[in-house]
Amino acid sequence: GAVVSQHPSRVICKSGTSVKIECRSLDFQATTMFWYRQFPKQSLMLMATSNEGSKATYEQGVEKDKFLINHASLTLSTLTVTSAHPEDSSFYICSARGTGEAQGQFFGPGTRLTVL
Amino acid sequence: QQQVKQSPQSLIVQKGGISIINCAYENTAFDYFPWYQQFPGKGPALLIAIRPDVSEKKEGRFTISFNKSAKQFSLHIMDSQPGDSATYFCAASMEPRNQFYFGTGTSLTVIP
Repeated sequence: GAVVSQHPSRVICKSGTSVKIECRSLDFQATTMFWYRQFPKQSLMLMATSNEGSKATYEQGVEKDKFLINHASLTLSTLTVTSAHPEDSSFYICSARGTGEAQGQFFGPGTRLTVL
Repeated sequence: QQQVKQSPQSLIVQKGGISIINCAYENTAFDYFPWYQQFPGKGPALLIAIRPDVSEKKEGRFTISFNKSAKQFSLHIMDSQPGDSATYFCAASMEPRNQFYFGTGTSLTVIP
């Protein structure tokens, strides 16, 4: 149980284009999903917290107009990197918060974004 | 301010040995302490978690020891195997679990 999928696993795009990453909780409903960015050999950097049906809460320093988050249903959240630039290249990971006995965060497999 | 401090940054252990990773926290409101294992290019996976009402939790070769008075908790990997080589993150959370605070990670290498 508590499986989170993420799509795509890898994406390469040209500078200036937008990229959408999907995060789905496959076997549970997630009222809260989290989006992280991870640089090589570093810890997880929380970008934003998204609650179903409401606006995402962004961490300080994260541009909400650049990283658009939509949490339209209890099983799907999307992150759109708008007008991507090479400095946006990173490993993006989503997670979903379980409920009841499974109160941990359950992470997706991550998306490697490379902006040329 | 780092809410959860993790050490060591890296660890090399011989196969069959015990790997120990330590974490410390300040906020006594934290009531849920998970450990995550991450392999290169993959998302972190929940390994084991503990609540402060118990001092130890064991699942297979993985044990969490929790010291509430010292505000410390640690992960012990018994009989470490090369397949355990990964980065381990500790974390802490409190109700309503809208945020998890992660340690900086420990890169574990188990030598055959």
